[in-house]
Amino acid sequence: DGGITQSPKYLFRKEGQNVTLSCEQNLNHDAMYWYRQDPGQGLRLIYYSQIVNDFQKGDIAEGYSVSREKKESFPLTVTSAQKNPTAFYLCASRPRDGFNSPLHFGNGTRLTVT
Amino acid sequence: AQSVTQPDIHITVSEGASLELRCNYSYGATPYLFWYVQSPGQGLQLLLKYFSGDTLVQGIKGFEAEFKRSQSSFNLRKPSVHWSDAAEYFCAVGDAGYSTLTFGKGTMLLVSP
Repeated sequence: DGGITQSPKYLFRKEGQNVTLSCEQNLNHDAMYWYRQDPGQGLRLIYYSQIVNDFQKGDIAEGYSVSREKKESFPLTVTSAQKNPTAFYLCASRPRDGFNSPLHFGNGTRLTVT
Repeated sequence: AQSVTQPDIHITVSEGASLELRCNYSYGATPYLFWYVQSPGQGLQLLLKYFSGDTLVQGIKGFEAEFKRSQSSFNLRKPSVHWSDAAEYFCAVGDAGYSTLTFGKGTMLLVSP
């Protein structure tokens, strides 16, 4: 079955270390997204990419970086510059030209930085 | 820029009772509107969507929502709640080109026996 795979489900890091979250999709979707979720804050957009080798900053891009070298992969790096990295991170995708197509979400990665 | 307000942080409903979750959006043009549901520690699942046409849209699991342009609202309803509906619900609005979605802060639904 097609879907979005985020790995690992739980990730622990020490403060000051960079960490990369994986997101892979086999839905053949052009657009991919990273959202951050904190309790009571809803989902906030970090970065998104509508085609390979191109991406745009979302509302809270500071302290994060992404790459889009392959259509099916959109890894997110949480750098040491991110002041509050502990959160639940959700990856999503959709067809770029599919105006009737909603976002499909992965099951998330919970990152804890101590 | 678009925005979404979900006025209720928590709602408790008795099993079998009706449910209405409120959503108000701010957007200049005709919006793309969505309701998603999230179980603890999971991703989001689409319940229903509105792009155009009939303002009453039907979704999965017996949910429906009504788009009211005059009130800038897109409230979610269900006539009879089941214990399995306990989850967090998010309303979202898409921008002009539908390149991104803006989400509300969510409403946590608790179902009492």
